[in-house]
Amino acid sequence: QSALTQPASVSASPGQSITVSCTGTSTDVGGDSYVSWYQQHPGKAPKLMIYDVSNRPSGVSNRFSGSKSGNTASLTISGLQAEDEADYYCMSYTDSTTVFGGGTKLTVL
Amino acid sequence: QGQLVESGGGVVQPGRSLRLSCAASGFIFSTYGMHWVRQAPGKGLEWVAVIWSDGSNKYYADSVKGRFTISRDNSKNTLYLQMNSLRAEDTAVYYCARLYYNGMDAWGQGTTVTVSS
Repeated sequence: QSALTQPASVSASPGQSITVSCTGTSTDVGGDSYVSWYQQHPGKAPKLMIYDVSNRPSGVSNRFSGSKSGNTASLTISGLQAEDEADYYCMSYTDSTTVFGGGTKLTVL
Repeated sequence: QGQLVESGGGVVQPGRSLRLSCAASGFIFSTYGMHWVRQAPGKGLEWVAVIWSDGSNKYYADSVKGRFTISRDNSKNTLYLQMNSLRAEDTAVYYCARLYYNGMDAWGQGTTVTVSS
């Protein structure tokens, strides 16, 4: 149950796009698992942004999108806004085990 | 949409026990799997345990296996986490979360557990 690998930080200006990577192995991200992404503002509970690799829950902006290739999943945020500044976590889920990434701090310059 | 409210956190000495509760409302609790997730101060999210909707299957992170027990009472719409043999490294905010498809779409506000002598 090793944590998935994410970049510690990423930054960009309002209106730009960013992509956060999440790298695992063939037994988690690259295997029969389901990837989801969470946004967490300081002092708040996490919020589901993407589930099953690329699906958005109701109410989540279509500026958020997800994808996967091999052992790496990605979260892309387009048209960055100030309120997007937060920590982002990926997660790999199977019936018997779940593992999170280490988290990426997004700074909107 | 659903609401989750954790309780039971506090300060406890190493080696002691604590039981956390998570009260669910606004949805049919008995039809959803449930997770516990924790976050140590200044650190990232760490999955702790999952229990299926009917309680038939339970799985744990290696870091808590043999010490923590997840359970649920569907008649009371409540999820539990029994934590035994607590260690300093168990200090964290503990969240309960609802399993939605294969993600976690509803989270409680968290309850803080501090293990310290």
